[in-house]
Amino acid sequence: GQQLNQSPQSMFIQEGEDVSMNCTSSSIFNTWLWYKQDPGEGPVLLIALYKAGELTSNGRLTAQFGITRKDSFLNISASIPSDVGIYFCAGQLGAQKLVFGQGTRLTINP
Amino acid sequence: DTEVTQTPKHLVMGMTNKKSLKCEQHMGHRAMYWYKQKAKKPPELMFVYSYEKLSINESVPSRFSPECPNSSLLNLHLHALQPEDSALYLCASSQAPGIPYGYTFGSGTRLTVV
Repeated sequence: GQQLNQSPQSMFIQEGEDVSMNCTSSSIFNTWLWYKQDPGEGPVLLIALYKAGELTSNGRLTAQFGITRKDSFLNISASIPSDVGIYFCAGQLGAQKLVFGQGTRLTINP
Repeated sequence: DTEVTQTPKHLVMGMTNKKSLKCEQHMGHRAMYWYKQKAKKPPELMFVYSYEKLSINESVPSRFSPECPNSSLLNLHLHALQPEDSALYLCASSQAPGIPYGYTFGSGTRLTVV
């Protein structure tokens, strides 16, 4: 089945540093979504991308939909403690399914 | 109201029990989803309901039985589960099938099968 390769699997950074993570796929997606999940909670949508090449920002977060429609990246600038969590990319497959990456676990040292 | 509400938040059940998970949204979304998430893994799709009809079943064992009584409610009936079914069960909804706008997850039900 379709898979999203998300990297890195984990990151340990200092507060204030910038963060970058990405997802790649062998399949073309029409939509890319980026979610953050805190322990014991459901994923919360951060950014949605609907067009190839699209670059979208949400506060300190910036994400881009790759021009080939097979990849996407998420950047977080000037990280703060509340950015800790697991970040998932997701691609829309067909009419009704999302396929998720394996997640990037972000840890921030104060 | 921009939330998907799931109850209960935690559930412990024996392998012979019958229980139900509930999901509710009042955003007018016409597509609702059940996902299963094991620890340190991404969510995996189980079922999709489109306009209150089951449209996708990802080969889920029959001990999981979904139900969509109306456009706002989604249930997951559980019977004769196994310990390996212990996981976080997530409900989600979106505006319409195939349109990911507003694809919103609930907080989940943490299920433990003993």
